[in-house]
Amino acid sequence: QVQLVESGGGLVKPGGSLRLSCAGSGFLLFDYYMSWIRQAPGKGLEWISYISRRGSSVYYADSVRGRFTASRDNTQQSLYLQMDSLRVEDTAVYYCVRDLPYDKSLEPFDLWGQGTVVIVSS
Amino acid sequence: QLVLTQSPSASASLGASVKLTCTLSSGHSSYPIAWHQQQPGKGPRYLMGSGGSHSRGDGIPDRFSGSGSGAERYLTISGLQSEDEAVYYCQTWNTGIRVFGGGTKVTVL
Repeated sequence: QVQLVESGGGLVKPGGSLRLSCAGSGFLLFDYYMSWIRQAPGKGLEWISYISRRGSSVYYADSVRGRFTASRDNTQQSLYLQMDSLRVEDTAVYYCVRDLPYDKSLEPFDLWGQGTVVIVSS
Repeated sequence: QLVLTQSPSASASLGASVKLTCTLSSGHSSYPIAWHQQQPGKGPRYLMGSGGSHSRGDGIPDRFSGSGSGAERYLTISGLQSEDEAVYYCQTWNTGIRVFGGGTKVTVL
């Protein structure tokens, strides 16, 4: 079954850290760039980071640059998001999404995980 | 600056059609887009890309169709069903950035 499953969310105090994981199955993670996207309560979708197939290029939204670090382990079919210096405004559901494919005949952004909830509160 | 603009809301009767608009910012009219659906209480799911009918996601009915070129892109939902009541997001991308529109909430009357 082709799917993405996020984990690692939870309640953390402001200034704290959390590491999210995303496990891909049913397809080869290496064949895709991967993105992290979040949705604050009652708000729209916000892209926060994407990582290239080998992990050599990583880009971040201004809102998280310098605090969040995306990485991947293709041998483990896994994507990670290390979140440091967390703020109340980082409270959101975090999704991993299949981004650009190596095979250009395939559609990008065609697979979402179910999301993991991060709450930053004292 | 790469920006996508969507109307906040739209409504139509059960069985009718509704056409949603996503507008690319000036200078970005040739960018590709994707459409995603988020039903109440659920995570988003991919609907389709810029590639026409064959770009629809798995299990997406052909009631959903994309059109438009240039700055204005459209998502049309024909034969509206109650389960189509959702928020619809358009998305675009370029090197170093991915951008979502603010979403259009569709209400089925």
